[in-house]
Amino acid sequence: AQSVTQLDSHVSVSEGTPVLLRCNYSSSYSPSLFWYVQHPNKGLQLLLKYTSAATLVKGINGFEAEFKKSETSFHLTKPSAHMSDAAEYFCVVGGTGFQKLVFGTGTRLLVSP
Amino acid sequence: DTGVSQDPRHKITKRGQNVTFRCDPISEHNRLYWYRQTLGQGPEFLTYFQNEAQLEKSRLLSDRFSAERPKGSFSTLEIQRTEQGDSAMYLCASSSVAGGLTDTQYFGPGTRLTVL
Repeated sequence: AQSVTQLDSHVSVSEGTPVLLRCNYSSSYSPSLFWYVQHPNKGLQLLLKYTSAATLVKGINGFEAEFKKSETSFHLTKPSAHMSDAAEYFCVVGGTGFQKLVFGTGTRLLVSP
Repeated sequence: DTGVSQDPRHKITKRGQNVTFRCDPISEHNRLYWYRQTLGQGPEFLTYFQNEAQLEKSRLLSDRFSAERPKGSFSTLEIQRTEQGDSAMYLCASSSVAGGLTDTQYFGPGTRLTVL
């Protein structure tokens, strides 16, 4: 079975400082991994996607994530936080072809001025 | 670009009533998914359609739940005899076949159900 563990339920940063949201995954085969963001009262938006190509994946709004097989991790980073980044972030694992997406429990990012 | 739409956005009902939600996927997408998200949790998979065929259902989908996708276009999710535990956000997503790679699923805004 596939699963993801988001290591922090809340992360607080100041505007302009780096963001690190941590995710570990478990999969019996080479996984596809995603980060989605959910702003209040808005739908889930795809930030980035890993599908066994480059291990460093660049996404929208300056976010990127690095796939590390040896550590079974897929942490999300951004060099400089913006107030508009405050939202709920979900690490997600899928597989090849059709696969139901399996979501983590989410990390709420708080950005203070 | 027309994304995934869902209707209604909010539904308040009394326990025991039936409710039906609608999802309109992105027009060229042949795969459609339903998820449920409760407060403070990530979305959980409910069911999946490829065209009009319902190919997988989660154990979460009790016999009070039924989903359809006639003609492989829009989909409906019906909950009969609602219970307070059904209160949640119901999310719809769609994708197109991507030749062996995991499809990217695009999500709608969700329908928030409150059962009183």
